[in-house]
Formats: sequence, C-alpha cells, structure tokens
Amino acid sequence: EAGVAQSPRYKIIEKRQSVAFWCNPISGHATLYWYQQILGQGPKLLIQFQNNGVVDDSQLPKDRFSAERLKGVDSTLKIQPAKLEDSAVYLCASSPGQSDTQYFGPGTRLTVL
Amino acid sequence: RKEVEQDPGPFNVPEGATVAFNCTYSNSASQSFFWYRQDCRKEPKLLMSVYSSGNEDGRFTAQLNRASQYISLLIRDSKLSDSATYLCVPRGFNKFYFGSGTKLNVKP
Repeated sequence: EAGVAQSPRYKIIEKRQSVAFWCNPISGHATLYWYQQILGQGPKLLIQFQNNGVVDDSQLPKDRFSAERLKGVDSTLKIQPAKLEDSAVYLCASSPGQSDTQYFGPGTRLTVL
Repeated sequence: RKEVEQDPGPFNVPEGATVAFNCTYSNSASQSFFWYRQDCRKEPKLLMSVYSSGNEDGRFTAQLNRASQYISLLIRDSKLSDSATYLCVPRGFNKFYFGSGTKLNVKP
C-alpha cells in the first residue's frame, strides 16, 4: 500500500516570498492533517480536514497560511508571505477516520532566508 | 500547562539496558494514547497504541495510569537501532496532542 506522498521534499525561499506544499494521502483515508514541526519540538497541528471540510484550524496563522482539500483527496498548504520563523518541517498525515492512527508523509523541509 | 509533557533527555544508555520514559498529560478525558518513534530528519512512525491499562509488543511495554495521568514506555534489551526520539500522543475527542519527545541514544 502506498504511503502518504508529499512534495517538494525541500524548499528554500527568501522571506516575503510565497510557497506551496502538496500532499496526497493514503487511498481511502478521509482525514488529513497538516503539521508544522520546528527543530526540537513535537508536531504542531495546523489544520485538520475530514473529507473536504475543515475540522480544526485553530492554530493556523490565517493571515499568511491557507490550505485546501477541494475534492477530499489531495491537499495543498500555502504560505504567503513567508517569515523567517516559518522555517520548519511541514508534515502531512492521514487516517481512515478522526479517531484512527495517523500515518505521516516524509515532510517538506522549508528554509526561509 | 502544556497538554503533554515529556523529559526531552537525552537518555544515553548502553546496548542491552532497560530504559523507561514517562509522559504526563493534562486532559483527563483523553481516550487513547500512542507512542510514535521519530528518527533524525524523518517522519514520526507509530510504535504502539494504548487503549486500556497498557500494551506490550516484544521489547516494548506501555503502561497507562489514568488516575495520575501519565503513560510510560519501557524498552528492554535496548538495541542501537532504538536510538530515536519517542513522542507521546494522547488523544482527546478527535484531537491528538503531540509531546515534544524524549531522545534516546543507545551506545555500543
């Protein structure tokens, strides 16, 4: 069974630029999560989707971050404009349902200069 | 108060040692618990799930104490390959809370 796919794996941008990350969850998984993981910390939930609806985006900095999951499958996370403190690994995870085990993708490592 | 608290370590132990990590959580309504393992520069991977008082899987044992709101992970006969960061994850109602992790270094 294919795992969670993410791209790109690495991205380097300058502050104030825009960036987008893509995630393809495990086939059939209804729940999709985006996490931000700063070095030395645990993953912090940014947004959770159930199919194409948002369940929780309470920790998403909505002035600069946006995410969508239009057809209930793939998802994109965008940052516009980026700040230095956005340098982190952005992890996508999926699960069959909201109470089920999450499976993580390899992440996108973002460096903002 | 943080939702989840873990000793960041590192725990430096020799091969073959037994090591235990504790994790405390603040949400008394947490329904299930997970331990994830995260290797350096890799994604977290599920190590084990805990739904009742505990769970055992080979060299790994997780124990849950709901009254004191902590969960522990015991690793017996440590291997070099066990070196990683271990993340404690309690689950509330459809919400998972990730700890910052405990780093383990197993040395020859």
